[in-house]
Amino acid sequence: EAQVTQNPRYLITVTGKKLTVTCSQNMNHEYMSWYRQDPGLGLRQIYYSMNVEVTDKGDVPEGYKVSRKEKRNFPLILESPSPNQTSLYFCASRVQGSETQYFGPGTRLLVL
Amino acid sequence: AQSVTQLGSHVSVSEGALVLLRCNYSSSVPPYLFWYVQYPNQGLQLLLKYTTGATLVKGINGFEAEFKKSETSFHLTKPSAHMSDAAEYFCAVSGSGTSYGKLTFGQGTILTVHP
Repeated sequence: EAQVTQNPRYLITVTGKKLTVTCSQNMNHEYMSWYRQDPGLGLRQIYYSMNVEVTDKGDVPEGYKVSRKEKRNFPLILESPSPNQTSLYFCASRVQGSETQYFGPGTRLLVL
Repeated sequence: AQSVTQLGSHVSVSEGALVLLRCNYSSSVPPYLFWYVQYPNQGLQLLLKYTTGATLVKGINGFEAEFKKSETSFHLTKPSAHMSDAAEYFCAVSGSGTSYGKLTFGQGTILTVHP
């Protein structure tokens, strides 16, 4: 089944403790991106990647890192999480040349 | 630059009534427009999209939307609401050139359907 998967789905952590949220897609898509969803703000793009080893900042990149060493994986790294990063995170992917993105199920993060 | 405004953070309708969710956009390039739906505790599902061609687009679950360039709008409608339509709906825009593939979302509209 074609899908985007994220792990973990739920995570509670404390301020300053490094964490990684994984994202994987099995559709051989070139483009991947991360969004955060906050009430009243919709979804905002954090980082995106056009292909392996090619990443760039979105609208709200502060406090986040990403890497794209393999085509299928695009992990989101929070080196020192803070409470204002408490949010619902979505990974998405699309094939190059298509405008339609496919979203993962989301990761709900709580930073205490 | 591109942006999306959804008018009304909450919309409430009775079962069987017309559903109208409003979306206005701005884009410096010809836009691609999308409506996504998010059911409670789930991810985003594409309802419908407009890229080029016919301005009235039909999507899943009986929804449709009309692209009106002169009004910079892409409102979502459904003739008769069903209880299962209760969800949050997001309008989004992407464009060509450097913004191709980058989705900019509206704030979302929560649809409540009353029996």
